[in-house]
Amino acid sequence: AQSVTQPDIHITVSEGASLELRCNYSYGATPYLFWYVQSPGQGLQLLLKYFSGDTLVQGIKGFEAEFKRSQSSFNLRKPSVHWSDAAEYFCAVASNFGNEKLTFGTGTRLTIIP
Amino acid sequence: DTEVTQTPKHLVMGMTNKKSLKCEQHMGHRAMYWYKQKAKKPPELMFVYSYEKLSINESVPSRFSPECPNSSLLNLHLHALQPEDSALYLCASSPAGWTGDNEQYFGPGTRLTVT
Repeated sequence: AQSVTQPDIHITVSEGASLELRCNYSYGATPYLFWYVQSPGQGLQLLLKYFSGDTLVQGIKGFEAEFKRSQSSFNLRKPSVHWSDAAEYFCAVASNFGNEKLTFGTGTRLTIIP
Repeated sequence: DTEVTQTPKHLVMGMTNKKSLKCEQHMGHRAMYWYKQKAKKPPELMFVYSYEKLSINESVPSRFSPECPNSSLLNLHLHALQPEDSALYLCASSPAGWTGDNEQYFGPGTRLTVT
């Protein structure tokens, strides 16, 4: 069965500083990997996704993520955070035989301080 | 139009009430999903419809009854709910089948409170 681990429950970063959110997955074959962001009381917005090809993927809002098969990781990065980036971030994995079952990590809450 | 809409935004219901949540998309997607999300937790999959047929039911209690009347609409009928069913209910859609681009698009959710 597929699973996702986000080891950091809460991260606090100063505005303008760089950010890295960690995600580790468990899946027997090449997975489909996603990062979603959720503002309080809102739905989920897709930041970026990895299906195949270039292991460094670019997303919206200046985010990028790197797929590392050897480490079973798909960490999310941003070079300079903005106060509006404060939100909950979820990493998710789906099987490569269709994404009917999307498995989410427990999420990382990002707080931005001035 | 890349939007999934959900109504109502907020719903308060008693344990003996019957209510329905509605979800709509016009992206031509043929897979639609219901998730339940408790505070500070990730979304939990409840149901998946693929080509208007129920394909996944994650052992959800029968007081939740999904319905997919056509390819654009998804309903969740609620009856005799418990206070622990209070949560954010999220709808999502995606292209069904093997397209190589199977991301799920989420709606804003319905905040349900059971009193």
